[in-house]
Amino acid sequence: NAGVTQTPKFQVLKTGQSMTLQCAQDMNHNSMYWYRQDPGMGLRLIYYSASEGTTDKGEVPNGYNVSRLNKREFSLRLESAAPSQTSVYFCASIISGVGTGSYEQYFGPGTRLTVT
Amino acid sequence: AQSVAQPEDQVNVAEGNPLTVKCTYSVSGNPYLFWYVQYPNRGLQFLLKYITGDNLVKGSYGFEAEFNKSQTSFHLKKPSALVSDSALYFCAVRDSLSADRGSTLGRLYFGRGTQLTVWP
Repeated sequence: NAGVTQTPKFQVLKTGQSMTLQCAQDMNHNSMYWYRQDPGMGLRLIYYSASEGTTDKGEVPNGYNVSRLNKREFSLRLESAAPSQTSVYFCASIISGVGTGSYEQYFGPGTRLTVT
Repeated sequence: AQSVAQPEDQVNVAEGNPLTVKCTYSVSGNPYLFWYVQYPNRGLQFLLKYITGDNLVKGSYGFEAEFNKSQTSFHLKKPSALVSDSALYFCAVRDSLSADRGSTLGRLYFGRGTQLTVWP
């Protein structure tokens, strides 16, 4: 199993450009998450998807959109990038459902995004 | 509201000495607690978790953590630190009530992280 994969690994954008970060997992997990990591801030939840076909906002959703394309894939889109979105983005997944609350989340390797 | 506090931004210890990375939490139900480690330019790796049972849980790489309900703490420990343990450590909590219902309202709440440096 590859686990959770993310593309690209690095990206530099100019202010106003758009891009989509891709995430895929091959563990048959139901739920998927997008976090951003900034120095001294820990991980903050942007959006999550409880199951295929559902998405919900997290703590910091402004400026982002997501798509749960199928059970495996969960993409994050920046429509008009801003310097404040310079960050490291992590995708994570977990089995979810009754009786599975004790499972840990699995993380991808991250995407380093710089917006100039 | 659920939250996690890691009161130390940095912890420095000498190789061979014991290390402790502190974590306190706040949840509305019983907590599910996790520790993750992040090496430079890498994703987060799971270290250990407390769900129920013995208050002392053992995890990867010789780490252990002690759950203390009265102090709402879940400190990470290792008896003898290695230089290779130097990394960023995150504590996280998940509310068992929403988690057991299968809702992703049982999401993880992370602390801000503690940078551990072990010097030779």
